[in-house]
Amino acid sequence: NAGVTQTPKFQVLKTGQSMTLQCAQDMNHEYMSWYRQDPGMGLRLIHYSVGAGITDQGEVPNGYNVSRSTTEDFPLRLLSAAPSQTSVYFCASSPLRGTEAYGYTFGSGTRLTVV
Amino acid sequence: AQSVTQLDSHVSVSEGTPVLLRCNYSSSYSPSLFWYVQHPNKGLQLLLKYTSAATLVKGINGFEAEFKKSETSFHLTKPSAHMSDAAEYFCAGGLYNFNKFYFGSGTKLNVKP
Repeated sequence: NAGVTQTPKFQVLKTGQSMTLQCAQDMNHEYMSWYRQDPGMGLRLIHYSVGAGITDQGEVPNGYNVSRSTTEDFPLRLLSAAPSQTSVYFCASSPLRGTEAYGYTFGSGTRLTVV
Repeated sequence: AQSVTQLDSHVSVSEGTPVLLRCNYSSSYSPSLFWYVQHPNKGLQLLLKYTSAATLVKGINGFEAEFKKSETSFHLTKPSAHMSDAAEYFCAGGLYNFNKFYFGSGTKLNVKP
């Protein structure tokens, strides 16, 4: 089924460890983004990309890196995990021309706990 | 500044009664507005969207929303709540820069039997 695939679904990290959250979409969407969801705070944008080779920061980029080498993939790297990064992470994609008409397609999320 | 505000963090209704979830927006430009639903431990699913066509928008599962420019609102309604509607609902908007969606903080809907 076409959509946005996130892996892993669950992850526990120790403080200071690094890891990469994977996101892939098969809809040929130019736009991809990462959000984190915390109780009472809704979704906050971490990083986004409007195409291969182009990325930009969102509201809460500190502690995270991204790259976009292909249209399909948009991995999120935690450089040195901190307990404040315990959250649920969502990847989303959209056609670039027409985001306003289509909205976003979301992945099912990655639940990350940093101890 | 662009923003989306959900006015209630929790709403509780009885099964069979109407649902009203409130969303206001702030934008200098004509926005595109969306409602998403998130069931526990699931991703976000698009319920409906407003994109400057009809101001009354119908979505899935009997939900609808009305865009009111004069009130800068986009409230979500349903005539009769069902137990399966219990979830968290997010209002979101592409408010000028469509590369950055703005999400409200969410409203948790509880449906009592």
